[in-house]
Amino acid sequence: DAGVIQSPRHEVTEMGQEVTLRCKPISGHDYLFWYRQTMMRGLELLIYFNNNVPIDDSGMPEDRFSAKMPNASFSTLKIQPSEPRDSAVYFCASSPSALRDRSRHGTDTQYFGPGTRLTVL
Amino acid sequence: GEDVEQSLFLSVREGDSSVINCTYTDSSSTYLYWYKQEPGAGLQLLTYIFSNMDMKQDQRLTVLLNKKDKHLSLRIADTQTGDSAIYFCAPVGRLYNFNKFYFGSGTKLNVKP
Repeated sequence: DAGVIQSPRHEVTEMGQEVTLRCKPISGHDYLFWYRQTMMRGLELLIYFNNNVPIDDSGMPEDRFSAKMPNASFSTLKIQPSEPRDSAVYFCASSPSALRDRSRHGTDTQYFGPGTRLTVL
Repeated sequence: GEDVEQSLFLSVREGDSSVINCTYTDSSSTYLYWYKQEPGAGLQLLTYIFSNMDMKQDQRLTVLLNKKDKHLSLRIADTQTGDSAIYFCAPVGRLYNFNKFYFGSGTKLNVKP
């Protein structure tokens, strides 16, 4: 498997523009996560999906941020309009089904993509 | 939520042992993960320990868990320059029926030749 795939790897845009980040999770994984990493705040969970349905979006900073997962193999994180303070590295991660059998240790491990480095000027 | 604390920096010489420490607050954490992030890359799973274990060894890595003090450590034996990276501690707490990861700030390990 190719692992979690994110695109683009780097994005530079101007304030006010719309930005769309893309993620392809590992095939067969039921969970997909979007994280943001900055020097000031570290790694923050923005939103996660289970079977394409958003479960918890409490980490989404404000209404300018939205995420969708139209099918099991694709998700987007959109920022509209973008602001300089949105500059960060955005990671997508995926995970197999939640642990239901205690003997399957670590099956809910999250696998991270390489990230998209976003710079908003 | 859970508070996870790590020291920000650690510097060691090649060949020495490195010990990266982590404290957390949620005593119900069932799994405790260590992730490694190399420059310009995503996080990769290094190892994990189940909460009913005190110690787990995996080649050069030793994880120690003190549940009473809510303290987790990662020891890297014979540290190499290739071990230079940021190491994240991630205890896993319950969110609904899913394990939510709480990441520490990360400890930047610098290995000097």
